[in-house]
Amino acid sequence: DQQVKQNSPSLSVQEGRISILNCDYTNSMFDYFLWYKKYPAEGPTFLISISSIKDKNEDGRFTVFLNKSAKHLSLHIVPSQPGDSAVYFCAASDGSGAGSYQLTFGKGTKLSVIP
Amino acid sequence: EPEVTQTPSHQVTQMGQEVILRCVPISNHLYFYWYRQILGQKVEFLVSFYNNEISEKSEIFDDQFSVERPDGSNFTLKIRSTKLEDSAMYFCASSAGRILEKLFFGSGTQLSVL
Repeated sequence: DQQVKQNSPSLSVQEGRISILNCDYTNSMFDYFLWYKKYPAEGPTFLISISSIKDKNEDGRFTVFLNKSAKHLSLHIVPSQPGDSAVYFCAASDGSGAGSYQLTFGKGTKLSVIP
Repeated sequence: EPEVTQTPSHQVTQMGQEVILRCVPISNHLYFYWYRQILGQKVEFLVSFYNNEISEKSEIFDDQFSVERPDGSNFTLKIRSTKLEDSAMYFCASSAGRILEKLFFGSGTQLSVL
C-alpha cells in the first residue's frame, strides 16, 4: 500500500546543476504535500510544502511543483550544492495541513551532489 | 535552536521483552507524535497525542503499543512484548500547533529486536 511513491531511490547531480526529485501519489484525498530532508543520524527536517490549491511554491533554491491531474509533484533544487546531499522524503496529508495529524511518507530519494 | 531529544539512540532487546523509548519534545509544544521507519521502507505514522490523550493512531499501533506523558517534559512509547518485526528506527516529533510543516523530529532510536 504505497500511497506516496518515490520511484528513484538515488540521484547523483553535479554541483551547480539542477536536482529534480519526483514523487507520485495515489490518494486523491491528499491536499497538502511536504518535502523533508534527512541527514544521517538526524531526524527529518521540514524543507518546503505546497497546498493542493497551488501548483508551485518557491523558497530560495527550492521549488516544489504540483500537478494534481497527474498526481505528481517534484522538488527542484537549483543550483545544487554539496550540502544538499541527503535523503529527501516526499510526504502528504489529507487534512489541509491543519486538520490531520498524520503524514504519509514515501520511501525517500538519496541525493548526492558531486563537487 | 530548540530540538526534540530521543534516548537511547540505540536499543537492543530480546523478543518478548518490553521496551520504553523516551522523548523530550520541544518545551512549548502541545502535539506529540511517534513515527517509525523499518530499514529500506518508508517512514510510517504510529500515533499522535494531544491534551493527554491519543488523537490519531495507525493500524500499526495495536494493543502492544502505548504512549504516555508521565510528567511535563517526557513523552514515551512502550512496546509491551517486542516482536522481530518491531525492529526499526523510531522517530518522536512534536509541534506547537496542528500545522504539519511545523513538525520537528528527533534524531531517532534504532530498536533492534533479537
